[in-house]
Amino acid sequence: NAGVTQTPKFQVLKTGQSMTLQCAQDMNHEYMSWYRQDPGMGLRLIHYSVGAGITDQGEVPNGYNVSRSTTEDFPLRLLSAAPSQTSVYFCASKQGAADYEQYFGPGTRLTVT
Amino acid sequence: AQKVTQAQTEISVVEKEDVTLDCVYETRDTTYYLFWYKQPPSGELVFLIRRNSFDEQNEISGRYSWNFQKSTSSFNFTITASQVVDSAVYFCALSEWDDYKLSFGAGTTVTVRA
Repeated sequence: NAGVTQTPKFQVLKTGQSMTLQCAQDMNHEYMSWYRQDPGMGLRLIHYSVGAGITDQGEVPNGYNVSRSTTEDFPLRLLSAAPSQTSVYFCASKQGAADYEQYFGPGTRLTVT
Repeated sequence: AQKVTQAQTEISVVEKEDVTLDCVYETRDTTYYLFWYKQPPSGELVFLIRRNSFDEQNEISGRYSWNFQKSTSSFNFTITASQVVDSAVYFCALSEWDDYKLSFGAGTTVTVRA
């Protein structure tokens, strides 16, 4: 199993540009989520999905869109990038609710200039 | 709302010293789950341990040990005889019953000097 994969690993955008961060998992996990990591703030939940066709907002959803058309994929879209979105983004998946271990992808380092 | 506090921002020790990382949590649920993750300089997030709210038995795994105390809402983590490879950011996290979401603390950066 590849686990959770993310592409790209690094990305530089100009303010106002749009892009999609890709995330895929091959463990047949129902739950997937996106976090951003900023210095001194830990990981904050952006959006999550409990299954194909179902998405919901997390703690910091503004400026991001998601969709979940398949169990495997959960892309994160930045519609109009802003410098405040400079961060490291992690995708994660887990098999079920609270007590299951969450598996993380390797992260995408995004810089918006 | 759930909340996780890691008051220690950075800890620096010399190799072979013990390191204890503090984690205090808030939740209204009686059933919840606590986690510790490690993020080494390479950036990936590594799962270390999971504890449920009904299991206050402390655990030792090699050089790692965990102290869970519901009375003080704390879930502390100790590295015994630290090594340079233990240098990382350590995150405490909380998930409430029947909730998929994981709430993280701000993390504690541990630096172990040779």
